[in-house]
Amino acid sequence: EVQLVESGGGLVQPGGSLRLSCAASGFTFNTHEMNWVRQAPGKGLEWVSYITSSGSTRYYADSVKGRFTMSRDNAKNSLYLQMNSLRAEDTALYYCARVWLGFSDFWGQGTLVIVSS
Amino acid sequence: DIQMTQSPSSLSASVGDGVTITCRASQSISSYLNWYQQKPGKAPKLLIYAASSLQSGVPSRFSGSGSGTDFTLTISSLQPEDFATYYCQQSYTTASGYTFGQGTKLEIK
Repeated sequence: EVQLVESGGGLVQPGGSLRLSCAASGFTFNTHEMNWVRQAPGKGLEWVSYITSSGSTRYYADSVKGRFTMSRDNAKNSLYLQMNSLRAEDTALYYCARVWLGFSDFWGQGTLVIVSS
Repeated sequence: DIQMTQSPSSLSASVGDGVTITCRASQSISSYLNWYQQKPGKAPKLLIYAASSLQSGVPSRFSGSGSGTDFTLTISSLQPEDFATYYCQQSYTTASGYTFGQGTKLEIK
């Protein structure tokens, strides 16, 4: 059974940093691209970042470019999102999602990030 | 960047009704269009990929069509469990991001 479990969310002050993790199981992690997608409270889905299966290529939404860094450790079946210079507008539920042929077929349950003083 | 626009933003319908949700891309995306369903407090669920391919396990009352810039999601006979929010997403170019539409909330009339 495919499972994606996010962790690392919490309350952080504006300008602070946080590192999210996503533990993958039930599939061959190193053959799949991955996404981070977020959802602000009461709002729609926003794609955040993408990484290739090897980790060699990453893309980011303009809203997080230069502040967020996506990475992966295929030996540990884990995905990460390093978030720096956090802003109030980064407050959201962050999902990791498996990518296959461009679509996200499995999603985690999300980890909540709150940026507030 | 590719922008995705869904209509309507919200929709009221009754059990047994058929409904159609529209998604328009700001430029041609061929058939690189996916549809997701999200219920309150839950992660999104993939319904349709590549514009018209039904994800495994999704009921056949869901269907998708379109290519280029205009796409539709149709639910042929609404069931109580179908009342949710629906999102389209383009996957035409990874470099510019997998943009989502703003969502369509389907409510019980």
